[in-house]
This record gives sequence, C-alpha cells and structure tokens, in this order.
Amino acid sequence: KAGVTQTPRYLIKTRGQQVTLSCSPISGHRSVSWYQQTPGQGLQFLFEYFSETQRNKGNFPGRFSGRQFSNSRSEMNVSTLELGDSALYLCASSPQGRHEQYFGPGTRLTVT
Amino acid sequence: QQQVKQSPQSLIVQKGGISIINCAYENTAFDYFPWYQQFPGKGPALLIAIRPDVSEKKEGRFTISFNKSAKQFSLHIMDSQPGDSATYFCAASVPTDKLIFGTGTRLQVFP
Repeated sequence: KAGVTQTPRYLIKTRGQQVTLSCSPISGHRSVSWYQQTPGQGLQFLFEYFSETQRNKGNFPGRFSGRQFSNSRSEMNVSTLELGDSALYLCASSPQGRHEQYFGPGTRLTVT
Repeated sequence: QQQVKQSPQSLIVQKGGISIINCAYENTAFDYFPWYQQFPGKGPALLIAIRPDVSEKKEGRFTISFNKSAKQFSLHIMDSQPGDSATYFCAASVPTDKLIFGTGTRLQVFP
C-alpha cells in the first residue's frame, strides 16, 4: 500500500497570506489527523477528521481550519499567516477503530 | 495531566551499546503508548507500541518496557547501530483521541 502523501512538500509564503495544504491518507483509512511540528513546541495536534466530520480539535486559533472529502483526502488551511506559523505540518491517517497513526513526510511551511 | 514527559533530550551511544529512552505520564486513562522514529526531513514512523495490560513488548532490537504503577514506559534499543541515529518520540492516547507526544530524544550512535 502506498503511504500517506502530502503536497506540496515545501512552501514559502509571506505574512498575511493564506495557504492550503493537502493530504492523501493510506487507502482504506478514513481518519486523518493534522499536527504541527516546531523545534520549540514539538508535535502539537491540530485536528482530526473522520468521515468528513471534524471529530477532535486542538488548541489552535480559528485561522487554522481543515476539511475532509468523501474520498478521505484532507486539506488544511491557514489564513492570515504569521511568522510563528513556520513549521512542519504533518498529516497522519489511521485505520478505522485502531489507534495506530501513520504519518506522511510533511509540508515544510516557511512564512517570511 | 495531559503531558508526556520524555528524557533524556539527547543521547550519545557507541555502536553495539544499549540506548534507553524514558517517558512518564499522569493520565491513567491513556491506553495506547507508541514510539515513533523520525529522520531529518521525514515524518515520524511508527516503531513499536504497547497497551497497559502488557509489561514488555519486543520487536527485533526494539523493546518497550511498561510500568503501570509508576506510570512510566521506556524504549530500549539493543545493539545500537549508526543507522538508528534519529529523533525518537514517545506518545500516549486515550481511545478515539489525539496522540500526546513527548518532547523527543535525539539519539546519536557512533561507530
């Protein structure tokens, strides 16, 4: 099976802009979670989607949003980018009813 | 109570030695404890995981030891190799909830 794929892999944006990141889960996985990884804060949970519904949400401002499509692919959007949003954004998918999360390679976002 | 505390922050081990990374938690509702390995420029890869009803789980050179009463679990890498040099994260979760990650341990194995 192909792993979790994320596009784009690298992105450079300017403060105030918005960005959309995409994630395709492992085939058959219906749960998709998003995490932000930074050197200072480590790995922090953003949100989780299951069957097109947000099932869980972390402590991030409303500028961070996401959605999931009927084919389980997911997107996350960050509006009004700030310098502090520079991070590696990771997507992970899980098989239904299981704990295991399998991560993609991430999207490296740099905000200048 | 949602934190997972991981130590040490960095670890240097000689080839063939044993690498030991420790994690502690407070939330007794956690029922799943995975370890992830991350190489630079890559996403975390699931290495091994344990449930609280088991005290030890071994997969190849990797072993998780779990102490429920002390609320601690650890990763042991036997016969450490230079290819094991990476950052290791412990994590914990309750059913149908997010993973709470430790802060990571950077392991360097020297030949």
